[in-house]
Amino acid sequence: NAGVTQTPKFQVLKTGQSMTLQCAQDMNHNSMYWYRQDPGMGLRLIYYSASEGTTDKGEVPNGYNVSRLNKREFSLRLESAAPSQTSVYFCASSPFFGGGVYNSPLHFGNGTRLTVT
Amino acid sequence: GIQVEQSPPDLILQEGANSTLRCNFSDSVNNLQWFHQNPWGQLINLFYIPSGTKQNGRLSATTVATERYSLLYISSSQTTDSGVYFCAVVWPGGYNKLIFGAGTRLAVHP
Repeated sequence: NAGVTQTPKFQVLKTGQSMTLQCAQDMNHNSMYWYRQDPGMGLRLIYYSASEGTTDKGEVPNGYNVSRLNKREFSLRLESAAPSQTSVYFCASSPFFGGGVYNSPLHFGNGTRLTVT
Repeated sequence: GIQVEQSPPDLILQEGANSTLRCNFSDSVNNLQWFHQNPWGQLINLFYIPSGTKQNGRLSATTVATERYSLLYISSSQTTDSGVYFCAVVWPGGYNKLIFGAGTRLAVHP
């Protein structure tokens, strides 16, 4: 049982390049999330998908797009990478939307460390 | 939006010592969770605790929702407790999204 799997683990991009971060969960969870973590700022929500077929913006969505490909997979795309997007990106899933409102805790992947030069 | 403040920002302990980490929040919350991020970057859910007290081994947490704070207690600390501890809240105006504090960085030395 792998839980939440993110690929790649590390990536270096040049300014203006594009890439997609992949996330898959095998826990049959309904909801999935993308967070970014910057030093001293905790985690900030980029986008989320409350259920298959829906996506919505979080706190910091600018410069990103997402796709909920199916119930298992939720990808994050950077269309034109900028140095300000250098960060560690975490994907998470929860059985139900809210990450805890209904005692539905978040399960995190191991993160993708992205550097944009 | 809601503000989530954690203190202290940094904490250094000798192995075996006890500690208390605090999380203050500026508005009513639907729930609160504590997470541990180990030195390898993995995030582990410790407690789901919108109110009351819970214990899990050497760790316990208390949330006093009416006074808008939560405490995480670590007793008899071990080097494996090192890392960053985050609290995260869901508030009624936040559309069920977890909002994280900036974290407390803990280093436990042998």
